[in-house]
Order: sequence, then structure tokens, then C-alpha cells
Amino acid sequence: SQQGEEDPQALSIQEGENATMNCSYKTSINNLQWYRQNSGRGLVHLILIRSNEREKHSGRLRVTLDTSKKSSSLLITASRAADTASYFCATDPYTQGGSEKLVFGKGTKLTVNP
Amino acid sequence: DGGITQSPKYLFRKEGQNVTLSCEQNLNHDAMYWYRQDPGQGLRLIYYSQIVNDFQKGDIAEGYSVSREKKESFPLTVTSAQKNPTAFYLCASSYSSGLAGVWEQFFGPGTRLTVL
Repeated sequence: SQQGEEDPQALSIQEGENATMNCSYKTSINNLQWYRQNSGRGLVHLILIRSNEREKHSGRLRVTLDTSKKSSSLLITASRAADTASYFCATDPYTQGGSEKLVFGKGTKLTVNP
Repeated sequence: DGGITQSPKYLFRKEGQNVTLSCEQNLNHDAMYWYRQDPGQGLRLIYYSQIVNDFQKGDIAEGYSVSREKKESFPLTVTSAQKNPTAFYLCASSYSSGLAGVWEQFFGPGTRLTVL
């Protein structure tokens, strides 16, 4: 069951530019998480934003969450070639009694050209 | 050096054979997860376990089996019943979820399984 859908599927930018990726989802959530995956590697957690939060920052990363539109965005500022990776959003769907699993989207493949 | 490890990194299997993928963590996490990733796709949940000696099916459990006899270990067996097992398999762990929701997950490096 695919809950989150990232947009765009692929993004190519120059070093120094900002990169924005979007995620839309369908049901109420407890939280939304963003992960990064370098080619052929495991995922690395970037940031978690709870349903009662609207914006969160971590270094060059800025995540926003709009629960009324069921959408989130990840902004990477002043991108570097090392930011080249796939970025996934994962939602924690709200369920009575507590949730137990994340639902991942298909990801946005970001290429940062030097 | 805390973390989550998977072995082997590459695995080749002949059709009709069962294979077991290893996943070990020393993060003292209660919850562990197995995902499958196909090229250009997101992660799909195979099985997960919130506590030792208990596990639940995910979205694509058919043809797979797991065990959780120790907190640190969550091996995945890909059986001959899995029709299309060639994929990248990722194991993850986290603190046990509750009413507050699912915590961040820590991933292993993955095992790439190829059926010959």
C-alpha cells in the first residue's frame, strides 16, 4: 500500500542551487519522515516531523508539513554534488491503538551536477 | 560501534532453493523490519517484529518467512514459493512504536539477491 507519493520523480540541478522535493499522502498521520539513499546502499534517516508541527530544520534541510493538504516538502539549500541520492518520504499512518509501521513512497532521484 | 549489519552483501540462488538473509543489530532496538526494493521503486514491507518471539506480516509476505528468537537478530528466509525473488533486501530497526507513532528507522547496508 503506497501512501506517500514524491514529486518530481527525478530532479537535476547545479551545485549551489536549492532542491525542493514534495510528498503527498492520503490518510491522517502521526508523523512523516524523510530518508536519503545513496545508490546501492541502505537508507539514512534525515528528519522526522510530527503531525502537530509545521516546519523543521536540520542543517541545510528544511521540511514543511501541511496536514490540511496532506503534503510535505523537503528543501535542500546550497546543494552539493555529495547530495546526489534518492530521497524518500515515509508516513506513519494514524491508527487507533497505535501504529507499528511506516509506508514509503517511490522516491525522488536528485542529481547535483558540479 | 553500534549499528545494524546484513550479510551477505550479494547472494545468488538457483531456482527452487531457499536462502536465508541475516540481519543483526546492537542498538538495543525492540522493533525490526524487512523491506524489499525493486529498481526505481520504493520500499515494500515484508515482515516486521515489535518484540522477541512475535512478528507480523507486511504487505508482501507471501513466499517469505522470518523468526525472532533473539532481540538482536531477525533473519529472513526467501523460500522457493517466492515467484520473483530477485531484489534488494533491506533490514531496519527502531525503538518500539506506541501511541506516539513509529520512531526513526536505522537501516542496514542491504543484501542484493539474484536468482539464476
